[in-house]
Amino acid sequence: DADVTQTPRNRITKTGKRIMLECSQTKGHDRMYWYRQDPGLGLRLIYYSFDVKDINKGEISDGYSVSRQAQAKFSLSLESAIPNQTALYFCATSGGAHNSPLHFGNGTRLTVT
Amino acid sequence: AQSVTQLGSHVSVSEGALVLLRCNYSSSVPPYLFWYVQYPNQGLQLLLKYTSAATLVKGINGFEAEFKKSETSFHLTKPSAHMSDAAEYFCAVTRAGGTSYGKLTFGQGTILTVHP
Repeated sequence: DADVTQTPRNRITKTGKRIMLECSQTKGHDRMYWYRQDPGLGLRLIYYSFDVKDINKGEISDGYSVSRQAQAKFSLSLESAIPNQTALYFCATSGGAHNSPLHFGNGTRLTVT
Repeated sequence: AQSVTQLGSHVSVSEGALVLLRCNYSSSVPPYLFWYVQYPNQGLQLLLKYTSAATLVKGINGFEAEFKKSETSFHLTKPSAHMSDAAEYFCAVTRAGGTSYGKLTFGQGTILTVHP
């Protein structure tokens, strides 16, 4: 089983709908992240959480919200989806050391029509 | 602030040829640098990381990268390309210390194509 699991893998939704993307991990990491990938732009940080009670905005948080339900679960919500939120979304975790790498899920491909 | 620039959005090589993927960074403090690889329909996997120890870093699948502070570069190389190396590669930077660790800034990505 994957260490970082994202659901759903693919989602098509309409403009204005509320969408939740879910992420769970079995690595025991405190730190969790949501990134967005767009062609030619690399990955950009949406939100991150260093523990259950710590939630922080990343560089592109507008239009998104998150919930850290438990150490192992970190969900991303789009309250009212718009077409320019069409992208590939990745959840990641990391350990506590300064040089800990990120461990990624397989991504959720979201299309907003 | 920190940033990463990957020179060349697409690189094409023949099987057996040298692979060179370029990455330049900007950071006001000592950086930690990473290379990740993304295969189709998968998440990113760590290839290697520089964390202020040896400047020549060896990673998985025969890849290595050299940290050159004077050139603010962290280019990725592999002596002999294999068909299975075809993927998208990302360079990323974070600060060494403070509260920024884990908050990586990624480059735009380079798609590597390997021809038979």
